[in-house]
Amino acid sequence: QSALTQPASVSGSPGQSITISCTGTSSDVGAYNYVSWYQHHPGKAPKLMIYDVSNRPSGVSNRFSGSKSGNTASLTISGLQAEDEADYYCSSYTTSRLGVFGGGTKLTVL
Amino acid sequence: EVQLVESGGGVVRTGGSLRLSCGASGFNFEGHGMNWVRQAPGKGLEWVSGMSWNGGVISYADSVRGRFTISRDNAKNSLYLQMSSLRAEDTALYYCARDVSYLAFDSWGQGTMVTVSS
Repeated sequence: QSALTQPASVSGSPGQSITISCTGTSSDVGAYNYVSWYQHHPGKAPKLMIYDVSNRPSGVSNRFSGSKSGNTASLTISGLQAEDEADYYCSSYTTSRLGVFGGGTKLTVL
Repeated sequence: EVQLVESGGGVVRTGGSLRLSCGASGFNFEGHGMNWVRQAPGKGLEWVSGMSWNGGVISYADSVRGRFTISRDNAKNSLYLQMSSLRAEDTALYYCARDVSYLAFDSWGQGTMVTVSS
């Protein structure tokens, strides 16, 4: 049950687009379309941004989108805004019927 | 409004036990699977355990299996995590979370802190 691999940090300027990758294996990310993405501001509860690879919960901006290819999932944020600065985590269901998170990516808006 | 409120955290000695509770309101509790997720100080999120709406499916992370027990009482709209044989590495903020799909948690509590020290 190894953590999914995410870049430690990414950055972008307001208005730009960034993509955060989440790499797993054929036993987790590659096995099902059950990848989610969370935004986490320190001191607050995590917020679900994308589920089932590319679905956005009600109320989440359409600037956030998700995709998957093979064992790698991606979160793209377009039109970057200052309030997007946060930690982002991916998660996946596994073939062992367990859950696994990525190590997290710190997004800095320059 | 969906609300999840965790309680029961505290400071406990290595090898000790603690029971966390999560009270739910604002939604049909028995219609949702529920989970525990933790975050150790300065670390990332870690899925701990999950239970289906009726308790029929229960899963644990390798790191806690055999030491932690998840349970729920749908009549009381409550989720529990019984933790035993606690280790220093179990020190973390523990969140309960409602799922809407596999590993998709759309509502979270504010967390309850567990500190394991010798």
